[in-house]
Formats: sequence, C-alpha cells, structure tokens
Amino acid sequence: DSGVTQTPKHLITATGQRVTLRCSPRSGDLSVYWYQQSLDQGLQFLIHYYNGEERAKGNILERFSAQQFPDLHSELNLSSLELGDSALYFCASSANPGTVNEKLFFGSGTQLSVL
Amino acid sequence: AQSVSQHNHHVILSEAASLELGCNYSYGGTVNLFWYVQYPGQHLQLLLKYFSGDPLVKGIKGFEAEFIKSKFSFNLRKPSVQWSDTAEYFCASSSGYSTLTFGKGTMLLVSP
Repeated sequence: DSGVTQTPKHLITATGQRVTLRCSPRSGDLSVYWYQQSLDQGLQFLIHYYNGEERAKGNILERFSAQQFPDLHSELNLSSLELGDSALYFCASSANPGTVNEKLFFGSGTQLSVL
Repeated sequence: AQSVSQHNHHVILSEAASLELGCNYSYGGTVNLFWYVQYPGQHLQLLLKYFSGDPLVKGIKGFEAEFIKSKFSFNLRKPSVQWSDTAEYFCASSSGYSTLTFGKGTMLLVSP
C-alpha cells in the first residue's frame, strides 16, 4: 500500500460528460502529481500541485482542470469527454519535490472508460 | 524538452534468464534517472534511482541499472529473473525541478 488513495477505481461514462477523479496523498505529503497512462502515449505528466498551488503543467488538455484543496487532497476534472480520453489516470504524492530525496508514491489509478 | 525511449514494448523470458531493459534519455544536462515497476493490479513503485555518484545503482529485488552518460543510457538489469518479476517497467528522467518524463514502458512476462 503506497498510502495514496484514488477514487473511484473504475469509471464508465459517455462522450460529452464530465467526471471528477479524486486523490488523497500520503499523510504529510504536500505535492500531488497527476499522470495519464494510455496504450499509445504511455505515461504522461498532466499537472503538479504543491500545497494548494499549481507548480507545473504538462500535456493537460484545456478540457481538463485540477485543484488541490486545503486538506491537500486533489481533484482532476475532465469535461466534454471524448473516446480518446479513455485511460488510466494516476495520482502520485511526494514530500520533497525537486530534491535528491524526492520519491513519488503512486496511487492505484482510476480507469476511465468513455463509451 | 526531455524525452525517454524504451527499446522494447514487450519482453518474454524464462525463469532464471538474465534481463536487460534498454532506456535512453534525451536531455544533455544534469539528469536524474529512475526505474519504476508496476506489478499486475498494483500501483507504480520505485525500483531504483540515479542522481549522482556511482553510475551503477542497485535497487530493490536484485535489480540494478547503469548510467552511461556517453550513451545517454540507463539500462535496467537483473542476472536471473523470477516469475514474480512479471510486470511493466517504466524508465523516467527529470532535470532539476522538472517533473518526471516517462518512457512508454516495457511489459516483461516471465514464464515459469
């Protein structure tokens, strides 16, 4: 158990819909990262939050947004869903971002299927 | 921008065979390198990482990787694989404060 909790584990929805994925980081970790894993693109970095503030953005679509709340949990919002958004979405947390001691702890992921 | 390429998408080995998974990165400056593993149905875990110092890095479960700067490579090795090593392996790199860039992964299947 990595200590990072993601809900739900599976999500099936239709095109055009909006969903929210939730991530609770390990106790004490201030950083939350979101990744998307798909068969054709592999594991891609989406966005990084540190203590409630956005730190870095990767290949995140404009239809997607995220936030980190005061209790440090994070939500990834995906809207106007398309078939190609079907993927496994991972959340990871770390205590010391950008340092030699940084280690990411990954959640088990949310499998999103857009039909 | 950084990129990481993994040479093989799928590798099939018999138990006790030796393993080497290739990884090449593109960034020419100071780079941090990682190997992550995802066992079936589980979350990603760190196998090993290289930041500086000895280019031969030893990780968990008997894995090791060698950083060869001249070849921009960070190949993962294990002398004798077990059935329980069946998993997907991801090479990743970062530079300074940049976030991790992952390779597309290599699926390893070890037959008993």
